[in-house]
Amino acid sequence: DAGVTQSPTHLIKTRGQQVTLRCSPKSGHDTVSWYQQALGQGPQFIFQYYEEEERQRGNFPDRFSGHQFPNYSSELNVNALLLGDSALYLCASNTGLGSYEQYFGPGTRLTVT
Amino acid sequence: AQKITQTQPGMFVQEKEAVTLDCTYDTSDQSYGLFWYKQPSSGEMIFLIYQGSYDEQNATEGRYSLNFQKARKSANLVISASQLGDSAMYFCAMRVTNFNKFYFGSGTKLNVKP
Repeated sequence: DAGVTQSPTHLIKTRGQQVTLRCSPKSGHDTVSWYQQALGQGPQFIFQYYEEEERQRGNFPDRFSGHQFPNYSSELNVNALLLGDSALYLCASNTGLGSYEQYFGPGTRLTVT
Repeated sequence: AQKITQTQPGMFVQEKEAVTLDCTYDTSDQSYGLFWYKQPSSGEMIFLIYQGSYDEQNATEGRYSLNFQKARKSANLVISASQLGDSAMYFCAMRVTNFNKFYFGSGTKLNVKP
């Protein structure tokens, strides 16, 4: 039973560039959430996708956008990268909007120089 | 507003001893869930234990137990018989039932000494 997978593992970008991170949910899961975890801090909720629509959003600017595909996989896009966007980006999945347990992927570590 | 507070940035415990990691939360909602996750240096968040706001008994999962005191809004994690592999960051999190997003605390770094 494959868990949550994310790609790439590491990424280095330059300020102003755009980046796309990818996530495949755990088998049987249809809801995907994205989190940003800065160094030494807890994860911060970015947004959540269910049935290919953004259902909830945290306090992040419009530079952060996403997409969910019919197979439930998801992408996180960040435009006009800032140095402060350097963080571990975690993807989590669960079944439907009501289930309480989220399974996390290993994360993508993004470094912006 | 929802908030999770973990006041212990770092903790040390001797191998085989028990340790308590503190967590307090703030919410005006009556229905919510409390979670503890372990994050090793590899980065992956590992689910440990869950407590629902209406659960009358404290949750237990193997060596992990959650000391839930609703009136004090605290949800401390107790790890019994610590092992060297328990060394990691530990995060307390809350999910309000009507909103399917998690709020995380700032974490506690646990070091288990041999």
